[in-house]
Amino acid sequence: AQKITQTQPGMFVQEKEAVTLDCTYDTSDQSYGLFWYKQPSSGEMIFLIYQGSYDEQNATEGRYSLNFQKARKSANLVISASQLGDSAMYFCAMREGRTGNQFYFGTGTSLTVIP
Amino acid sequence: EAQVTQNPRYLITVTGKKLTVTCSQNMNHEYMSWYRQDPGLGLRQIYYSMNVEVTDKGDVPEGYKVSRKEKRNFPLILESPSPNQTSLYFCASSPTWTGRTTYGYTFGSGTRLTVV
Repeated sequence: AQKITQTQPGMFVQEKEAVTLDCTYDTSDQSYGLFWYKQPSSGEMIFLIYQGSYDEQNATEGRYSLNFQKARKSANLVISASQLGDSAMYFCAMREGRTGNQFYFGTGTSLTVIP
Repeated sequence: EAQVTQNPRYLITVTGKKLTVTCSQNMNHEYMSWYRQDPGLGLRQIYYSMNVEVTDKGDVPEGYKVSRKEKRNFPLILESPSPNQTSLYFCASSPTWTGRTTYGYTFGSGTRLTVV
């Protein structure tokens, strides 16, 4: 089974609108971390936001928020007030286990912001 | 500046010619890892290292070797590259997992490898 599933290969959003990028995960561990990374066309991987499995509040970082629904095993990224510079590939990732040996990535969602 | 440095950024080579992609981090991180990124497949882990002299296979280790003789360096070696190893490669590092708290990766800038 896939550890991280991103079901939206491509998304479009109007500038200044909000957009939600979906991510579901699969783990039997109690302790895990969920991450979102942004990859612009230049190729580098940029850390956006983190949510720990024990965190009761949804994580927020500026215009980014993580909608964490533990029972549904979902960790959706919400980008508010989209900007043209948000056009990029977005990856959801999970680090699990007592030793954190594995760090799993989804296949990514390509977001295009339309002026 | 805290960073992971990968070299080279771009590399075109021929089938069978041994190559090494270097990776160095200046954050005293214990954990380092190599990934390859291919369209539609996301990032797949090749090898990882929990500390000096401790390495283990990820999901796609075939055709690759690594070593961790020093904490800061984690080179990726392709002994006999083949065209199916054409990909974008990332080195990444992080502090050790600490249970309830966790750390994400710091990534290198990537190495785009083409094997012809």
